[in-house]
Amino acid sequence: EPEVTQTPSHQVTQMGQEVILRCVPISNHLYFYWYRQILGQKVEFLVSFYNNEISEKSEIFDDQFSVERPDGSNFTLKIRSTKLEDSAMYFCASSEVDSFGPQHFGDGTRLSIL
Amino acid sequence: EDQVTQSPEALRLQEGESSSLNCSYTVSGLRGLFWYRQDPGKGPEFLFTLYSAGEEKEKERLKATLTKKESFLHITAPKPEDSATYLCAVQASSGGSNYKLTFGKGTLLTVNP
Repeated sequence: EPEVTQTPSHQVTQMGQEVILRCVPISNHLYFYWYRQILGQKVEFLVSFYNNEISEKSEIFDDQFSVERPDGSNFTLKIRSTKLEDSAMYFCASSEVDSFGPQHFGDGTRLSIL
Repeated sequence: EDQVTQSPEALRLQEGESSSLNCSYTVSGLRGLFWYRQDPGKGPEFLFTLYSAGEEKEKERLKATLTKKESFLHITAPKPEDSATYLCAVQASSGGSNYKLTFGKGTLLTVNP
């Protein structure tokens, strides 16, 4: 069964550094998403991406964050000047031909900021 | 603001003991309600989508139902492998929010053999 793949599974970074989290969505999906889950809290929406542009973003997704689809298969989340509070699980998701369908999630990248 | 509240926070069952999980929601126009299963250290795994009140979906020992204010996930004769956190999420159709899922905190289900 097709799946969303995320790398790395765990990223440890010093505060103030930049990180790039990578995702390979399901191949025929057109909508892409990033969510995060701080330990013990809800899964929170960050951003959605369609047709090479951001279609929706949350208040969390400020100038510190950016997304990119650098080629036909990868979808990345860049976090600049990381802060301690950026420590969380980051999940990538994708959905099929329209935004009404279910979003399928990867297993996440655990980001630890020291 | 869209809100999702799940209860109970944790539920412990004996194998074969049926029960239900609740998801109450407040949303400005429901586009869809989604149930996911999440195992420790894994991402949410899609289970069901419900679009309108009265709709029901079934998969093995799980059955999801939807009213205008809440959804239930019924678990019939659960097995230890059903142990997981079950997440409920809503997608709104108005207010400029067309894509994001708003999640509840989940119900941690433990099924003892």
